[in-house]
Amino acid sequence: EAQVTQNPRYLITVTGKKLTVTCSQNMNHEYMSWYRQDPGLGLRQIYYSMNVEVTDKGDVPEGYKVSRKEKRNFPLILESPSPNQTSLYFCASRRLAGDPTYEQYFGPGTRLTVT
Amino acid sequence: GENVEQHPSTLSVQEGDSAVIKCTYSDSASNYFPWYKQELGKRPQLIIDIRSNVGEKKDQRIAVTLNKTAKHFSLHITETQPEDSAVYFCAASHPAGNQFYFGTGTSLTVIP
Repeated sequence: EAQVTQNPRYLITVTGKKLTVTCSQNMNHEYMSWYRQDPGLGLRQIYYSMNVEVTDKGDVPEGYKVSRKEKRNFPLILESPSPNQTSLYFCASRRLAGDPTYEQYFGPGTRLTVT
Repeated sequence: GENVEQHPSTLSVQEGDSAVIKCTYSDSASNYFPWYKQELGKRPQLIIDIRSNVGEKKDQRIAVTLNKTAKHFSLHITETQPEDSAVYFCAASHPAGNQFYFGTGTSLTVIP
């Protein structure tokens, strides 16, 4: 089954404790992206990747890191989480980079709480 | 960067009535405008999209219109049903398609 998976689905952590949210897709998609969703703010793009070893900042990259060492995986890293990073995070993938008309498939989401 | 504004933030309609959600964008270079539906606790899913060389697109009860001159686009849902209740997001993307800018969402409630 074609899908985007994220782990963990729920995470409660403390300020400053490094964490990684994994994202994996089995559709051989070139493009992957991370978004955060906050009430009243919609979805905001954190980072995106056009292919292996090619990543770029979205609208709200501060406090986050990403890597794309393999085509299928695009982990989101919070080196020193802070309470303002409490949010619902979505990973998404799309068949081709450079062509937005291909449908973007979203993962199930990761709800992160930083205390 | 691009700024996408979406109105209204909440919308209640009677079953069978029409619903209209409007978005404006700021960057005239944006040329792709998707709409997503997000049911409670679920992931966003694409329901319809439009490119800047098209003024209107329909898919059964859903239609999207685009006015490039005024830089606004709208989602129209006709004959609404309770299962249309969800949060709807508009978005805009540049030709390269790597950055997406979302509106703040509209919570639609269809009253049976």
